[in-house]
Amino acid sequence: QSALTQPASVSGSPGQSVTISCTGTSSDVGGYNLVSWYQQHPDKAPKLLIYEVFKWPSGVSSRFSGSKSGNTASLTISGLQAEDEADYYCSSYTRSNSFVFGGGTRLTVL
Amino acid sequence: EVQLVESGGGLVQPGGSLRLSCAASGFTFSDSALHWVRQASGKGLEWVARIRNKANNYATIYSTSVQGRFSISRDDSKNTAYLQMNSLKADDTALYYCTSCSGTNCYASEFWGQGSLVTVSS
Repeated sequence: QSALTQPASVSGSPGQSVTISCTGTSSDVGGYNLVSWYQQHPDKAPKLLIYEVFKWPSGVSSRFSGSKSGNTASLTISGLQAEDEADYYCSSYTRSNSFVFGGGTRLTVL
Repeated sequence: EVQLVESGGGLVQPGGSLRLSCAASGFTFSDSALHWVRQASGKGLEWVARIRNKANNYATIYSTSVQGRFSISRDDSKNTAYLQMNSLKADDTALYYCTSCSGTNCYASEFWGQGSLVTVSS
């Protein structure tokens, strides 16, 4: 199972919006509404931000939003804040009943 | 408070074995699936394995990179999951997280442990 494709890095200024893409295939991202997004700060465990493409777990800010079109899912962070600087990973359920992560995207808040 | 606490990591020689444990509390462990996810130093997340609940016959699935070498299991009476790792390779060196969720299928990892470090080296 090949990793989902994410940009290595994105950046934005405080208050701006940024979008991180996650491209897979019809066997994973495109085939199921089971994409999730995680935020990971240095030396910390990942935190679930979005599940089932666009749903929020309890306690997660609505500044984080998810969507999907075809084989590409996206995470948009609006009203960028300094504490949003972190690594972001997408994940999807796959046709083979397994799971796959994206390679990760480093977000820099300028 | 939900907690997942991994243990059992350490230094092991190539070809050796190690068993990780994941002790869960604060949620209905027996109802939920359980995953292992690993992360090599400075690298991204890699999904390793999942075990489902009793209602789903404790079905297991593995990544191709560990299939045939690793085995995931659980003891619901102890609220504990395990990852038995055999024929370890240098590429298996990573921080191993156990993850779960408040639902049944855990298509997303809502809960994460702090990780257990496995180092494979001679």
